[in-house]
Amino acid sequence: GAVVSQHPSWVICKSGTSVKIECRSLDFQATTMFWYRQFPKQSLMLMATSNEGSKATYEQGVEKDKFLINHASLTLSTLTVTSAHPEDSSFYICSASFTSTAGYTFGSGTRLTVV
Amino acid sequence: AQRVTQPEKLLSVFKGAPVELKCNYSYSGSPELFWYVQYSRQRLQLLLRHISRESIKGFTADLNKGETSFHLKKPFAQEEDSAMYYCALSEGGGNKLTFGTGTQLKVEL
Repeated sequence: GAVVSQHPSWVICKSGTSVKIECRSLDFQATTMFWYRQFPKQSLMLMATSNEGSKATYEQGVEKDKFLINHASLTLSTLTVTSAHPEDSSFYICSASFTSTAGYTFGSGTRLTVV
Repeated sequence: AQRVTQPEKLLSVFKGAPVELKCNYSYSGSPELFWYVQYSRQRLQLLLRHISRESIKGFTADLNKGETSFHLKKPFAQEEDSAMYYCALSEGGGNKLTFGTGTQLKVEL
């Protein structure tokens, strides 16, 4: 149980275009989802926390207009990288907390390459 | 601010040898501590959390509040333990996780 499905697993896009990454909770309702970014051989850096039906809370230094997060339902959160640039190339991972005490589950990640 | 420190980027041990992956944290409240494992080309998986006091795949970790540590231990390393290990901290209640920089464990034959 408590599976998070993340799509796409990889995407290549041109500079200036936008890319949407989806994160779905398959067998539970995720009131809170988290979006992380992971650079090669580095740790996961939290970008933002999204709660269903409300605006996302962004970490310091993360541009909210560039990384648009939508959490319109209890089973879906999306991250849109707008006007992507090569420096946005990274591995993006979503996570959901599935009850207040039971822990967290992670998506399989999306490898974004901007050319 | 909360912080998690994993001092070793890479730890190489021989099969059958004991393993200890170090994790120290700084947090003013009562944190929840976790260990996550990431096998090659797979997603992050929960290995264990301090509140459950379980032993998963032979790994254990004890929260030492005096030393603010949550070291991961296994008495006899197996080849299949080779992976990336992340220590993480949460304020609790499903709040955000703060990750350490990770330790790559390599178990050699």
